[in-house]
Amino acid sequence: NAGVTQTPKFQVLKTGQSMTLQCAQDMNHEYMSWYRQDPGMGLRLIHYSVGAGITDQGEVPNGYNVSRSTTEDFPLRLLSAAPSQTSVYFCASRTRQGGENYGYTFGSGTRLTVV
Amino acid sequence: AQSVTQPDIHITVSEGASLELRCNYSYGATPYLFWYVQSPGQGLQLLLKYFSGDTLVQGIKGFEAEFKRSQSSFNLRKPSVHWSDAAEYFCAVGAGLTGGGNKLTFGTGTQLKVEL
Repeated sequence: NAGVTQTPKFQVLKTGQSMTLQCAQDMNHEYMSWYRQDPGMGLRLIHYSVGAGITDQGEVPNGYNVSRSTTEDFPLRLLSAAPSQTSVYFCASRTRQGGENYGYTFGSGTRLTVV
Repeated sequence: AQSVTQPDIHITVSEGASLELRCNYSYGATPYLFWYVQSPGQGLQLLLKYFSGDTLVQGIKGFEAEFKRSQSSFNLRKPSVHWSDAAEYFCAVGAGLTGGGNKLTFGTGTQLKVEL
């Protein structure tokens, strides 16, 4: 089925470990984003990309790196995990088109716990 | 910068009663506006969106929302709430009619509880 696929669904890390959250979409969407969701704070934008090779910071980028080597993939890297990064992470994508076609497709999320 | 305010953190309604969830936004032009619903442990489901035209938007599950430019509001309504509507609801604003930009800004959410 077409959509946004996130892996893994659950992950426990120790403080200081590194890991990559994977995000892939098969809709040929130009735009992709990463959000984190924390209780009482809604979803906050971490990083986003408007196309392969182009990324930019969102509202809460510290501690996270991204790259976009292909249209399909947008991995999120935690270089040295901290307990403050315990959260649920959502990847989203959309076409560059506006109007009726403007709409985000979200992945099912990755629940990350840093101990 | 765009922003969204959902002033009600928690709302409790009786099953069968009407519902209105408030959303106020800040954006320099006509925005794209969205309402999403999230059940516990689940992802986000789009209820409806507004980008132009008729200011009353119909969505899934019997929900509707009204865009009021003068009040910078996009309130979500449902005439008769069902127990299965208990969830968290998020209002969000995206970049304007040009379609450019890739920032979707969310409110902090409203947790809906439905009493039987």
